[in-house]
Amino acid sequence: GENVEQHPSTLSVQEGDSAVIKCTYSDSASNYFPWYKQELGKRPQLIIDIRSNVGEKKDQRIAVTLNKTAKHFSLHITETQPEDSAVYFCAAGGGGSNYKLTFGKGTLLTVNP
Amino acid sequence: EAQVTQNPRYLITVTGKKLTVTCSQNMNHEYMSWYRQDPGLGLRQIYYSMNVEVTDKGDVPEGYKVSRKEKRNFPLILESPSPNQTSLYFCASSLQGPPYEQYFGPGTRLTVT
Repeated sequence: GENVEQHPSTLSVQEGDSAVIKCTYSDSASNYFPWYKQELGKRPQLIIDIRSNVGEKKDQRIAVTLNKTAKHFSLHITETQPEDSAVYFCAAGGGGSNYKLTFGKGTLLTVNP
Repeated sequence: EAQVTQNPRYLITVTGKKLTVTCSQNMNHEYMSWYRQDPGLGLRQIYYSMNVEVTDKGDVPEGYKVSRKEKRNFPLILESPSPNQTSLYFCASSLQGPPYEQYFGPGTRLTVT
């Protein structure tokens, strides 16, 4: 089955800096790569996703890049703000007859004012 | 309001006492899924359902049962709960399976003593 590794497990940045979180996956058939943000005590919410036919996607301060050959994808947050502080999860799945979604273990991002 | 609901939100029970956690969605989604979240382990998929009467195992199905008799409901059943099933449980739904966005319920915190 799919295996998703996520790094780093914790990340601390100064407000205004950029943050990068990286994930690798094992199943080359996976074709869907979402990123979820979970604030303390809340449910995970999708912030951006990318499909395997696209190499990069951007939404305001957030961008995701995908390298299918190397089987890794990354989340980039620019101009970080204190409200970006949360746990971020990457996930991989879909493709062929795979209807599962496998998540990474999460990254605790802290943005210091 | 489009939403995924779960009940109960908090539950403390004893080993071996059967319990059911309900999940309901009002978005006419075909795909529903259950996850458990444990510190340091991220979100792990327990079971998913592609449609009524169609269910399949996720990555950690042992000790759990599900049913999908109606499109809107996807209950999670623990027939003989054990302390290692103490966790935060999330139900999620999406229009179809990956690559469609999954919407998460508010979570159910279960403690088995």
